[in-house]
Amino acid sequence: SQQGEEDPQALSIQEGENATMNCSYKTSINNLQWYRQNSGRGLVHLILIRSNEREKHSGRLRVTLDTSKKSSSLLITASRAADTASYFCATFTGANSKLTFGKGITLSVRP
Amino acid sequence: DSGVTQTPKHLITATGQRVTLRCSPRSGDLSVYWYQQSLDQGLQFLIQYYNGEERAKGNILERFSAQQFPDLHSELNLSSLELGDSALYFCASSLRSYNEQFFGPGTRLTVL
Repeated sequence: SQQGEEDPQALSIQEGENATMNCSYKTSINNLQWYRQNSGRGLVHLILIRSNEREKHSGRLRVTLDTSKKSSSLLITASRAADTASYFCATFTGANSKLTFGKGITLSVRP
Repeated sequence: DSGVTQTPKHLITATGQRVTLRCSPRSGDLSVYWYQQSLDQGLQFLIQYYNGEERAKGNILERFSAQQFPDLHSELNLSSLELGDSALYFCASSLRSYNEQFFGPGTRLTVL
């Protein structure tokens, strides 16, 4: 079963705009991770945020985590055509020691 | 380049056959994970090995099996293949379960 549910399922924006993607989950987590996948390729880890952290930055990426609402958001600022990809959130729970991926968000950045 | 290698890149076979997919983790990583990705099922966790021992099991069919060898490389064996097994199979590795995972380029399996 899917632990993380991303929203929206698909997002299309113009180059230079910001892209915001959301992820909600159901049970307590140890950490939440975001990954990117270009078409047909392996997933690439973007950022990991621990359950005791609220916000994290990495380059043009900003991730927030609200454990009271069981949700996270990924913000990509000043998007580029090269950001076109699928984005997955994944939650790690110590109980089953595994990372559970959502279904992903398809982001299209128009040049 | 994630440092995780997978072979072969592509595999085309017939129903009923058996195939072996191979994965070499990133240097220093002790955990290896196998995932199946298809259009209808999304990314499904199959199984995890840690330092040679099975650590966690996901939606892995009984026709599928895996192992991790002393040199930490892993193999995923798929037998009695069905059309529905056609998918991308990814291997990933990490140092510990709670760390980020590094994915290989995948093996695209086509069952005809």
